[in-house]
Amino acid sequence: AQSVTQLDSHVSVSEGTPVLLRCNYSSSYSPSLFWYVQHPNKGLQLLLKYTSAATLVKGINGFEAEFKKSETSFHLTKPSAHMSDAAEYFCVVSKTGGFKTIFGAGTRLFVKA
Amino acid sequence: GAVVSQHPSWVICKSGTSVKIECRSLDFQATTMFWYRQFPKQSLMLMATSNEGSKATYEQGVEKDKFLINHASLTLSTLTVTSAHPEDSSFYICSAREDIGSRGYNEQFFGPGTRLTVL
Repeated sequence: AQSVTQLDSHVSVSEGTPVLLRCNYSSSYSPSLFWYVQHPNKGLQLLLKYTSAATLVKGINGFEAEFKKSETSFHLTKPSAHMSDAAEYFCVVSKTGGFKTIFGAGTRLFVKA
Repeated sequence: GAVVSQHPSWVICKSGTSVKIECRSLDFQATTMFWYRQFPKQSLMLMATSNEGSKATYEQGVEKDKFLINHASLTLSTLTVTSAHPEDSSFYICSAREDIGSRGYNEQFFGPGTRLTVL
């Protein structure tokens, strides 16, 4: 069985400060992990993915995430927040090579000027 | 990257009518497409897996007679909400997975979503 938990329903940061969005997962299999971003009334955009290669994954727009098997975590970070980063972020887990994806509940990121 | 389109982007309909939503993979073939539903300020819930040339696989609790899925070709899947009611109002998002090629085995590409409002 697989599950994913996003530890914060919302995160608020000031522009120019670091961003940390937390995600823990549970998987009976070798997982693939993803972070997606969704702006209001828009579809989802893939930020980055982990598929059993390098544990530190760099994505678009300066985001990166580190896969930590011992902690079953895949936290998303960015050194310096920008106003345009304000959106909903979803952590997603699937079985590597498998079909079904499980979405986390989402974390709303607010960026203050 | 791979592009998935949805049509329409939004639709308003009267209660009791049926609405069809199209999902197309524009530059790749997709044996498998997925349909999700998203309520306001909530996460995406997988409704069904659409398989080209065969019946869709529905998730538990999803009425297959209510949400008809047809995957007639490798680039098109449709979701028809039959006899729609106000509680069916939601944001419906499809995704497509390319089964061959170099993009990645299990990456899904998402459509922009369709906002359905049933009056």
